[in-house]
Amino acid sequence: GDSVTQMEGPVTLSEEAFLTINCTYTATGYPSLFWYVQYPGEGLQLLLKATKADDKGSNKGFEATYRKETTSFHLEKGSVQVSDSAVYFCALSPVWGNEKLTFGTGTRLTIIP
Amino acid sequence: GAGVSQSPRYKVAKRGQDVALRCDPISGHVSLFWYQQALGQGPEFLTYFQNEAQLDKSGLPSDRFFAERPEGSVSTLKIQRTQQEDSAVYLCASSQTANYNEQFFGPGTRLTVL
Repeated sequence: GDSVTQMEGPVTLSEEAFLTINCTYTATGYPSLFWYVQYPGEGLQLLLKATKADDKGSNKGFEATYRKETTSFHLEKGSVQVSDSAVYFCALSPVWGNEKLTFGTGTRLTIIP
Repeated sequence: GAGVSQSPRYKVAKRGQDVALRCDPISGHVSLFWYQQALGQGPEFLTYFQNEAQLDKSGLPSDRFFAERPEGSVSTLKIQRTQQEDSAVYLCASSQTANYNEQFFGPGTRLTVL
């Protein structure tokens, strides 16, 4: 079945550092790929998405590119801020059937000033 | 406008009790999903509704779990004879239609079974 493997945390970085959180997937066909974020005390929110190969999703300075050849969707940000501290989840939804999401285990990111 | 709401936010149950968890999706949203999130894990799919029709219940872990959405809006997830392994956060999400629309998540209900 479909699965998502995500870089384990926790990850601690200094403010303005470069961020990469790795995500790879296993799925049939061409799933849609997502990054969700959960800020402290809040519900899951969609951060960005890509629906086909080579698409780049971007939002709030974060980017991720759908790489079919490496089945990856790594999350990057050039300069992190304290406010980016949160748990980040990589997820996919299948091409066929309903759009149920398959999530990775999540990566807790802490940014220190 | 209002987002997805869930109630109660926290529920403590003794092993063997029945519980009912409620989800109020965003008004007009056709699709509704339930997920289960164990501590330190990502959410796992339980079941999916399109309007009042339950189209996929493949993720329900046992026949003790039952979900309904009788009028195509509010949904209830019921767990009978709760067990300790049912302890988790139960998330509800809704989306406008099919075709990869964003799923909007509620804050979740944290269930603890003693």
